[in-house]
Amino acid sequence: AQKVTQAQTEISVVEKEDVTLDCVYETRDTTYYLFWYKQPPSGELVFLIRRNSFDEQNEISGRYSWNFQKSTSSFNFTITASQVVDSAVYFCALRARLSSGSARQLTFGSGTQLTVLP
Amino acid sequence: DSGVTQTPKHLITATGQRVTLRCSPRSGDLSVYWYQQSLDQGLQFLIQYYNGEERAKGNILERFSAQQFPDLHSELNLSSLELGDSALYFCASSEQGNTEAFFGQGTRLTVV
Repeated sequence: AQKVTQAQTEISVVEKEDVTLDCVYETRDTTYYLFWYKQPPSGELVFLIRRNSFDEQNEISGRYSWNFQKSTSSFNFTITASQVVDSAVYFCALRARLSSGSARQLTFGSGTQLTVLP
Repeated sequence: DSGVTQTPKHLITATGQRVTLRCSPRSGDLSVYWYQQSLDQGLQFLIQYYNGEERAKGNILERFSAQQFPDLHSELNLSSLELGDSALYFCASSEQGNTEAFFGQGTRLTVV
């Protein structure tokens, strides 16, 4: 079974503060993929990043960075110098790859509502 | 723009009715997924199709059904609608089962 836990239901920060969104996952499969999606107030789900289980390099993209730690089953997301436009619900998701080559469905965490105040 | 198109964007219907939600995947994507997002249940996987065949089933009610057509577009049929079926329904598509899924803008269904 797959499970994704986002313990932070809501986070509120003031503009220009850094903020980290936590994600902890569970899977028995050895090959898997982790994702972050953003859902702004308009409602669509926007893909942000994919990470596979055998690549623990951290990634930075502009003000966004991701910290993948297999030892703690965590895939945390940090926004540096947050902006009001970052206000959204952020979802962490997991998809495990089976030995047959097929994949399980994408399992989402419950999401973290981030509010960035001006 | 993710390249996944869902219609309609909004739908209001009465209890007991039947509706059809439509999804056109990104060009070249063979996998289509349907998800339901409600306030109390979060994002729930409903069903997946791959190249016209059902590949995986999640928490999909018996009143719901889906299919993927030869041109790869998919439809989600919801029947005998109840108030609790009010939710945002997302369609997503991907190239293969292990890559990221790109989501449409969703269909917001309101059952009154």
